[in-house]
Amino acid sequence: GAGVSQSPSNKVTEKGKDVELRCDPISGHTALYWYRQSLGQGLEFLIYFQGNSAPDKSGLPSDRFSAERTGGSVSTLTIQRTQQEDSAVYLCASSYEPRDIQETQYFGPGTRLLVL
Amino acid sequence: AQSVSQHNHHVILSEAASLELGCNYSYGGTVNLFWYVQYPGQHLQLLLKYFSGDPLVKGIKGFEAEFIKSKFSFNLRKPSVQWSDTAEYFCAVRGTGGFKTIFGAGTRLFVKA
Repeated sequence: GAGVSQSPSNKVTEKGKDVELRCDPISGHTALYWYRQSLGQGLEFLIYFQGNSAPDKSGLPSDRFSAERTGGSVSTLTIQRTQQEDSAVYLCASSYEPRDIQETQYFGPGTRLLVL
Repeated sequence: AQSVSQHNHHVILSEAASLELGCNYSYGGTVNLFWYVQYPGQHLQLLLKYFSGDPLVKGIKGFEAEFIKSKFSFNLRKPSVQWSDTAEYFCAVRGTGGFKTIFGAGTRLFVKA
């Protein structure tokens, strides 16, 4: 079946512009995660959605970052007034019922963001 | 603070050599542990995981990892690597009953044919 998809695959923007990154999770997956991977760094947790519960936004680095998940499916990560330090690969992952002991996160290909 | 430390950023091996990638974590409470792998040009994917029971877990492609609770370690091993194992490997930890997963910085493995 189809995996997690993300768009765009690459995004180049100018400092100060807003960007939107999209994630389509695997159909039926209730949980969705956003991570950021900066050069030479591990994955940094950003935000987590689970069903209709309020998202956990504890990993968002500043108020310029926000995310939505509409209808429990597609998610959009928005970065306002981008800065050069926002340059990174943004990864999305989805899973089915994270409380399940067998939970596995399935990752998308990522969006490579470059802020000039 | 919650963290995962991977001891080597880069490892270069010849085919048939044995592999051990170190991973230590800092996390209060009981944990679930994971190794993920990212092959060149591919998505990040699960290699193996530990939730409970036998601390020696086996994953895909002949990989295994051992959870040593007293050492807060979850090292990844393979007795004989292949060129196709060239990839970046990430260790990760999550508290049981939670969802926030902490990843290490990754280890890039290059296997010479």
